[in-house]
Amino acid sequence: GAGVSQSPSNKVTEKGKDVELRCDPISGHTALYWYRQSLGQGLEFLIYFQGNSAPDKSGLPSDRFSAERTGGSVSTLTIQRTQQEDSAVYLCASSSLAGAYEQYFGPGTRLTVT
Amino acid sequence: QKEVEQNSGPLSVPEGAIASLNCTYSDRGSQSFFWYRQYSGKSPELIMSIYSNGDKEDGRFTAQLNKASQYVSLLIRDSQPSDSATYLCAPREVNKFYFGSGTKLNVKP
Repeated sequence: GAGVSQSPSNKVTEKGKDVELRCDPISGHTALYWYRQSLGQGLEFLIYFQGNSAPDKSGLPSDRFSAERTGGSVSTLTIQRTQQEDSAVYLCASSSLAGAYEQYFGPGTRLTVT
Repeated sequence: QKEVEQNSGPLSVPEGAIASLNCTYSDRGSQSFFWYRQYSGKSPELIMSIYSNGDKEDGRFTAQLNKASQYVSLLIRDSQPSDSATYLCAPREVNKFYFGSGTKLNVKP
């Protein structure tokens, strides 16, 4: 079946602009995660959704970052007033509780802020 | 602060040898543990999960867990050049995953 998809695959934006990153999880997966990976670094947890609710927003780096999920499916991560330090690969993963929390990752969105 | 420690490497092993990758974690509340493989420029892919103390084998891969020592490892038998990648350890606590920064493995032909 189809895996996790993300769009766009690459995004170049000017400092100060807003960007939206989209994640479409595996059908039927109720849990959805956003991570950020800077060059040569590990994964930094940003936010987790169970259904449409986000019980844990503790990883969002600042109030410029927000995320929502609608219909228990597609999620959007929005970064307002982008800064150069926001440049990274943004990864989305989904999992099914029935699947013992095993996460499956999308291909990521590479964000470059100039 | 929950920490996951992995030797960054690179760990170099000859083709056909056993590669041993180690991970320690600080959170005793971690409930299950996952190993991911990440090729350069690609997203992580799940290799194995382990939930109970002891060993779990899947093909050439064996995961080992010791909760008392807060230690989890991944053994790769008969290593192949295609195994060359960064391996990420990820303990789970409730609904949150903490990723280590990974160990880079090089398998030399």
